[in-house]
Amino acid sequence: DAGVIQSPRHEVTEMGQEVTLRCKLISGHNSLFWYRQTMMRGLELLIYFNNNVPIDDSGMPEDRFSAKMPNASFSTLKIQPSEPRDSAVYFCASSSGAGGYTFGSGTRLTVV
Amino acid sequence: AQSVTQLDSQVPVFEEAPVELRCNYSSSVSVYLFWYVQYPNQGLQLLLKYLSGSTLVKGINGFEAEFNKSQTSFHLRKPSVHISDTAEYFCAVRINDYKLSFGAGTTVTVRA
Repeated sequence: DAGVIQSPRHEVTEMGQEVTLRCKLISGHNSLFWYRQTMMRGLELLIYFNNNVPIDDSGMPEDRFSAKMPNASFSTLKIQPSEPRDSAVYFCASSSGAGGYTFGSGTRLTVV
Repeated sequence: AQSVTQLDSQVPVFEEAPVELRCNYSSSVSVYLFWYVQYPNQGLQLLLKYLSGSTLVKGINGFEAEFNKSQTSFHLRKPSVHISDTAEYFCAVRINDYKLSFGAGTTVTVRA
């Protein structure tokens, strides 16, 4: 099992550009989480999917952020337009139950 | 609401010395508790978890934690640390059927 795979690992973009982050879940996991990690705010849950359906998107900062899960194994997080304050490490995690999450290695986003 | 407090933001420790990372949670219901480790430029990795049963939980890399309901604590310990244990450690509590609440993290720096 290759684990949760995120791409790209690093992304540098200019303010105003669209950014798409990608995540491939572990086979058999039915829950997907997108987290954002910053020094100031720590780990923040952005959105949670269960069986491909968004259940809790209360952590999505604003309308510039959107997430999709077109199938059971793949998800995207899109920021359009991006702003410097979006700079952070974005993690995807998946879970199959109460036993905790499996995290990807993250995407370090820098918006200049 | 359930939350987690990690009492130490930085813990310097010498190689082969013991280490304890403190975590307290607030909860009025049954809890599931977790410790994660984050090595530099990597995602979070599950060290151990308490779901039920024995209050002493053993995890990977020689770590263990003890669930203390009366003190609402879940402290992480290792009797002898290695240089490779230098990382950030996060305590987390499950606050509903899917969501984890993470502490602010404790940075452990192991020195020779």
